[in-house]
Parts: sequence; structure tokens; C-alpha cells
Amino acid sequence: AQKVTQAQTEISVVEKEDVTLDCVYETRDTTYYLFWYKQPPSGELVFLIRRNSFDEQNEISGRYSWNFQKSTSSFNFTITASQVVDSAVYFCALSEARRAQKLVFGQGTRLTINP
Amino acid sequence: GAVVSQHPSWVICKSGTSVKIECRSLDFQATTMFWYRQFPKQSLMLMATSNEGSKATYEQGVEKDKFLINHASLTLSTLTVTSAHPEDSSFYICSARDAGVQPQHFGDGTRLSIL
Repeated sequence: AQKVTQAQTEISVVEKEDVTLDCVYETRDTTYYLFWYKQPPSGELVFLIRRNSFDEQNEISGRYSWNFQKSTSSFNFTITASQVVDSAVYFCALSEARRAQKLVFGQGTRLTINP
Repeated sequence: GAVVSQHPSWVICKSGTSVKIECRSLDFQATTMFWYRQFPKQSLMLMATSNEGSKATYEQGVEKDKFLINHASLTLSTLTVTSAHPEDSSFYICSARDAGVQPQHFGDGTRLSIL
């Protein structure tokens, strides 16, 4: 069965601090995709990144970076030099290729960046 | 980039009313659309998968007679909440994808409040 766990329910940091959001997943498939989405207070889902199971290369995009480790089934997300605008709920999600690419979401981490 | 439009963005209505929510893909043909529901401070849960020209596939525990889904064209899927009750109040969000495009593109969501 597919499952995504985001153990951190809420995180609060002061602006300019670095913060890492954890994501652990479970799947029996060898082909799958991992995602991070941002949900600001307005509610829409903003796509941040997709990573397929065959690509363990870490990625950096500006202040955002992602660490994908198949050995620990983790796909962690780090925000460097956080800003108030980063405040949102962040969801990690998993999609298995054989399950019509349905997304299974983690519980979400509510990130608050304080000025 | 690909855009998904969802309408209306906010609905308030009386108990017993049926409410229709539209999800449109604006610049691509969506062979598959997904409908999710999100209760306050919770994660997104997949309700059903909508395939153009065929019956929707509902997730376990979702009443198909309660949540009617129609995917009559490659750019439009509708979700109708029939005889809505206060417990149906939630945030409903759709997503769409092309046959070979990842990731799913999400609409901005519909906040449904049943009085």
C-alpha cells in the first residue's frame, strides 16, 4: 500500500532561518513519483517539484532544495534563509505509475515564518 | 503553462440543495481529472477519478450517488454534491492531467459551506 508520512505537523521559525520539512513514503512499486506542493492560506495548491523513482539526484531551486534518498524512503525539503512569504502548508505526495497516477498526500506540515 | 480553472470558488447554500462544481482545463486536453476533498486542517483525500467518456471511479467510502461526476468532454469535468448537508461542507479541489504530462495541475478549489 502507498503511504506518505509527514511527521511534523507544525513548524515555526524566525525569518532567515533554514528549515527542513520531512517526508517518508511507503510503496511496493518500483516506478513512482514524489511531489511537493505548497498550499498558502488562499487554498490553491502550488506545484514545487516532481521526482521520479529512478532519479535520486538532489535538486536546488533558489532557496529551495530537495534530498531524495531511496535507502531511507525519504524526500525531504529544505528552505534556506526562510521568508515570511514561505508561510504555508506544505504537502508531500506520492504517485504510483500502476495506480493511474493517483496522488496520495501526506498530512501536511504547517510552516510559519515569523518576522 | 497549463491552467485548470475551477468554478465557483465559494458556495454557501441551504441544506438539501444540490451544488455543481466545474473543473476546466484551459489549454490542454485532460483525459483524466481527479476530485479531492479537504476538511479544515487536514490533508487532501482523493474522492474519485474522472475519465472522459466513461464512468468515474470512486474511492472506497465515497458515495457515488451523493457525489455525481460527469466528464463529458476533454476539457470539462463536473462534480455535483446532491442534497448537500452540513457535513458535506469542505474544500473541494480538482486536478487534471494530459495523457503524457506530469504533474497534475490543480484548480484553485471550491469552498462549500452548507447551512
